Formats: sequence, C-alpha cells, structure tokens
Amino acid sequence: QKEVEQNSGPLSVPEGAIASLNCTYSDRGSQSFFWYRQYSGKSPELIMSIYSNGDKEDGRFTAQLNKASQYVSLLIRDSQPSDSATYLCAVENQAGTALIFGKGTTLSVSS
Amino acid sequence: DAMVIQNPRYQVTQFGKPVTLSCSQTLNHNVMYWYQQKSSQAPKLLFHYYDKDFNNEADTPDNFQSRRPNTSFCFLDIRSPGLGDAAMYLCATSRDGGGGDNEKLFFGSGTQLSVL
Repeated sequence: QKEVEQNSGPLSVPEGAIASLNCTYSDRGSQSFFWYRQYSGKSPELIMSIYSNGDKEDGRFTAQLNKASQYVSLLIRDSQPSDSATYLCAVENQAGTALIFGKGTTLSVSS
Repeated sequence: DAMVIQNPRYQVTQFGKPVTLSCSQTLNHNVMYWYQQKSSQAPKLLFHYYDKDFNNEADTPDNFQSRRPNTSFCFLDIRSPGLGDAAMYLCATSRDGGGGDNEKLFFGSGTQLSVL
C-alpha cells in the first residue's frame, strides 16, 4: 500500500491565525486528493478536494497541490476553536479505486 | 436525507466470538468500503465492493470477511475477534470510484468495537 505522510502534530495556533497543514504522498500516479476533518470519536467528513496543480479555495479553506513535488497542503484562514480537530489527507490508490489516508494532523486553535 | 448508516454505534464482543457490523446507504452509490481505524492511526482500507465485485486488500487478515447482498447493504464479519481488532470500523461509499468527484467518500458514523 502506497504511503501518505503527515506531521501528526499537534499544531497549535491562536484564534484568527492561519493554520497550515502538509501532506506528502509516494505514488506519482495519484490524481485525486482530499482533505477530511475528523473530530474525536467521530467519522471523517470531507472538506476539500483537489485534482489539478495549483490552489483551490472554498471559504476559509485553501487546498494547494504540487504533483511534481508530490505535495498537497491545506490552509485554514481565520482559524476558529471549532476548527480544532484531526485533519486527514487522502490520496487515491494506484488502481484509482479507493483512497489511502495519512495518520492525520491534530490542530488545536486556542481562543 | 441521503446518507450512510452504520449499526450499532458501539459493539462489545468477547474474544473469539463472531461479530457482524452492518452498513446501509441511501445514496445509490456503486462502491462501498470498509476501513479500520485504531486510535491515533490512519483509517486503513480492509476491502471494498464495486457493485458486486469484491476487492480485498492484500494485507487484510482472513479473519475479516464482507458481504454485500444488494446495492444498499454491506456487512463486515469478524470470524474470531482478537484483542487487536478493537477499533473504529468505518463504512464509506463513493459514487463510482475512478477518480475525481466520483471518488469522494461519504462516511457513516462508524462502529466502535470493543473486544473483551
């Protein structure tokens, strides 16, 4: 199974700051990339998807993809305490049939 | 609302006693997945069904089996649970796999399995 690597954190930011979450992946053939948010004891929920190099913005969230560097990131602007959660990076597998997840980065936003 | 439903939310079983977890979906998605997630670890794909076609991950133990009797339902059977099988089991669906928006996963609320 191909690897998806994330810094487990915790990443601590003050309320209103920008949180930057990073992910690298090993399968150069991957084409689809997703960020999921997971609160403790809950299931993951999709917050962003990105398929092309560059930036994709949705409200306070921006996903960035660089396929040459095999790197995908998530920026959260104006971080809120409610953003405190584990953020999972997911990358499609080699067969293009399922998603492989990283361990996640735990974000803590202090008020 | 269309959704993915897992039952039960919490399941306690005894060491070695077979247990079945269930998942249903009203999204009419072709693909259904089972992931295992242990504390502070990544969700690990066990297997998935594309329609009726079963796809097992190479490192999924034989102790884990799955059934998909129809489009809406999928079951995870653990034949002889060990202490190491205690985890959150997540059922997910996607429209069609194959990349892009069709590969977006929609998760159920999960079943937390405890093995005594």
